[in-house]
Order: sequence, then C-alpha cells, then structure tokens
Amino acid sequence: DAGVIQSPRHEVTEMGQEVTLRCKPISGHDYLFWYRQTMMRGLELLIYFNNNVPIDDSGMPEDRFSAKMPNASFSTLKIQPSEPRDSAVYFCASSLARSEAFFGQGTRLTVV
Amino acid sequence: GNSVTQMEGPVTLSEEAFLTINCTYTATGYPSLFWYVQYPGEGLQLLLKATKADDKGSNKGFEATYRKETTSFHLEKGSVQVSDSAVYFCALSGGATNKLIFGTGTLLAVQP
Repeated sequence: DAGVIQSPRHEVTEMGQEVTLRCKPISGHDYLFWYRQTMMRGLELLIYFNNNVPIDDSGMPEDRFSAKMPNASFSTLKIQPSEPRDSAVYFCASSLARSEAFFGQGTRLTVV
Repeated sequence: GNSVTQMEGPVTLSEEAFLTINCTYTATGYPSLFWYVQYPGEGLQLLLKATKADDKGSNKGFEATYRKETTSFHLEKGSVQVSDSAVYFCALSGGATNKLIFGTGTLLAVQP
C-alpha cells in the first residue's frame, strides 16, 4: 500500500479564496482524521470520520471549515473563505479501531 | 474527556546520554497508548505502542511501559544519537469514540 496520500503538498493562496485539501486513506482503514499543526497551537484534531460518517467535528475552528468523506477512499477538507491565520500544515491520518494511525506527508498551506 | 500531558521542551542532550520524556494521560476505560516521532519537514511516524496495562512498547532502542496505576507512558532511550533529534508526541486512542488525541509534543535536540 502506498500509505496515506495527501494533495497538494504545498498550497499558496490569497486571502478570501477557497482552498480544498485532499486525502486518500489506506485501503481497509475505517477511521480518518484531519489535523492541523502550527507552532503556536501544536497538533489539533479538527474532525474525524468512522466508516465515512463524521463522528466529532468539535475541533473545526469555525464555519469556514468543512470536511466530507463521500466514500471510503477519499476525503476533502475545505476552507472558504481562507484567511492568513489558516496558514498551517494540515495532516490526514487513517487507522483501524484502537490501532495506530498512519499519517500522510501533510499539506503546507500559506494564505497571503 | 480524554487528554494527554507531556513534558515541555526543548530537551537538549549530548550524544550517548540517557533520555526520558514524561507522558501522563487521563482517560476512561482502557486506551491504547502511542509514541509518534516527527522529523523536520515530515509527517508523524509511529515509534511504538502499547495496548494494555504493563505492556512495554519498544522500537529503535526506545521503550515505554503502560503504567495504569500512575496513568503514565514515559519514553526512554539509553543512549541517544544525533539522528534522534526530532519532535516526539505521546498519544492515546480508545474508549467509546476511538478519538486519537495527541500531547503537545517535545522537541529533542541531540548534540554531537
């Protein structure tokens, strides 16, 4: 398996634009997590899914953020409109229940 | 809710020194415990794990023992190398939600 695949690896966008981050989890995993990492706030869990259903989105900072998982092999995290304070590295991870999570390489987002 | 607390960094050591990074947790039930490592510019990688009390996880010379009586999972290594320089995260998963929660991370810098 190729592991968790995220795209793009880097994204630079202007304030106010829509940004979509993509994630392909490891085949067979039934949990998918989205995290955001910044120097100031560390690693924050934004939302996670079980069997494509969102279980806990309490970490989503505000309504500008949304996440979907239309099928077991694909998830998106969308920010609309984007703001400079959204600049961070966004990680996707997948796992089986009570097992270790496997992380993607991350998407480094810069909003100017 | 569940939470993880780990020691503040940075931790600066000389090569071949002994390493301890403290981690304590709060959780209902019997969570699984993990240590992840993040090298500069990369995603998180699983270093070791333990799934029940008194289990010892080990990998690459690192060890951690699941201590339910003290709710701890301290990371140790007998002799660190420059290549161990990275950020180390303690994490837990389990309970009713399987939510994967991370500590704030501890930066380790090993000097030659």
